[in-house]
Amino acid sequence: NAGVTQTPKFQVLKTGQSMTLQCAQDMNHEYMSWYRQDPGMGLRLIHYSVGAGITDQGEVPNGYNVSRSTTEDFPLRLLSAAPSQTSVYFCASRRDRESSYEQYFGPGTRLTVT
Amino acid sequence: KQEVTQIPAALSVPEGENLVLNCSFTDSAIYNLQWFRQDPGKGLTSLLLIQSSQREQTSGRLNASLDKSSGRSTLYIAASQPGDSATYLCAVSFLRVNYGQNFVFGPGTRLSVLP
Repeated sequence: NAGVTQTPKFQVLKTGQSMTLQCAQDMNHEYMSWYRQDPGMGLRLIHYSVGAGITDQGEVPNGYNVSRSTTEDFPLRLLSAAPSQTSVYFCASRRDRESSYEQYFGPGTRLTVT
Repeated sequence: KQEVTQIPAALSVPEGENLVLNCSFTDSAIYNLQWFRQDPGKGLTSLLLIQSSQREQTSGRLNASLDKSSGRSTLYIAASQPGDSATYLCAVSFLRVNYGQNFVFGPGTRLSVLP
């Protein structure tokens, strides 16, 4: 199993540009989520999904959209990039919404918005 | 609001020392607690998962304990090695929070093991 994969690893955007961060998992996990990691702020939840077709907002959802058309994929869209979105983005998955299961993380995408 | 804190923020020790990292959480109603390791510029690697019904988990030189009533967990690293140098993150799944949003991270402890 590849586990949780993310692309790209690095990205530089100009303010106002849009892009999609890709996330995929091959463990047949129902629950997937996106976090951002900023110095001094720790990891914060952006959006999550408890299954295909079901998404919801986390702690810091503004400026981001998600969709979940398949179990495997959970892309994160930046509609109009802002410098405040410069961060490292992590995708995670676990077996289902039951919180007793272990979470697995992807390698991250380092995004810079100029 | 449920919060997770970790002390110390940074720790530097000589190789071979045994050390303890601390994690505290504000609500004892939890599903589980997970310890991660993060190397610079890398993702998170899961080290240990302790369910709320467990007192401790062990993996090699690592031992994690859980005391729900006091809202504390410790990660014990025996005979530390330079390869243990990384940031260690504690994350807690809280019961009294929406299923999707209940996994809260601490800020991490940055560990340096000197040869």
